[in-house]
Amino acid sequence: GQQVMQIPQYQHVQEGEDFTTYCNSSTTLSNIQWYKQRPGGHPVFLIQLVKSGEVKKQKRLTFQFGEAKKNSSLHITATQTTDVGTYFCAGITSGTYKYIFGTGTRLKVLA
Amino acid sequence: NAGVTQTPKFQVLKTGQSMTLQCAQDMNHEYMSWYRQDPGMGLRLIHYSVGAGITDQGEVPNGYNVSRSTTEDFPLRLLSAAPSQTSVYFCASSYMSATSGRGNEQFFGPGTRLTVL
Repeated sequence: GQQVMQIPQYQHVQEGEDFTTYCNSSTTLSNIQWYKQRPGGHPVFLIQLVKSGEVKKQKRLTFQFGEAKKNSSLHITATQTTDVGTYFCAGITSGTYKYIFGTGTRLKVLA
Repeated sequence: NAGVTQTPKFQVLKTGQSMTLQCAQDMNHEYMSWYRQDPGMGLRLIHYSVGAGITDQGEVPNGYNVSRSTTEDFPLRLLSAAPSQTSVYFCASSYMSATSGRGNEQFFGPGTRLTVL
């Protein structure tokens, strides 16, 4: 079945360092979404990418959707302690309504 | 708007018991879904619905039933609880693009933490 893998599983960074998480799907995706989940909380939507090669920015966060629409990345510039949490990607394939979530990357930021 | 609400917040069951997890949304979203999240893991889709009267299975549907009699409500029923169903359950809702089926941002409820002894 369809699988969505994320790497790395964990990342510890010093405050101010950059951070990147990568999402790879076994199948071509119709769109991809990114979510952030704080410890003990629920996932909160960050962004949705739809077009091949799309790049979107939100302040210090940059999101990319691969040309083949099978991979995506989230890059955070100059991390802050408020960035702590687990980042998930979630993809949906054309013709289905089933979102498949990635395995997540847990980010810790050391002050 | 209350957004997506879930009840109860916490529940402890004994093996073999049944129960219903409630989920409601007040945003008139067509799409609703149930996920389970096990410790340190991602979310796995249990069941989803693209509108009232329409439901379908996700990745891990065994042991769970759903129904969607109204746009607002999407209850999840555990038929005979097992320790393997100990998890955090999240309900989510979103708009659906009628033409592309691509969906939109999912709004998640606060979750139900279920323990099965």
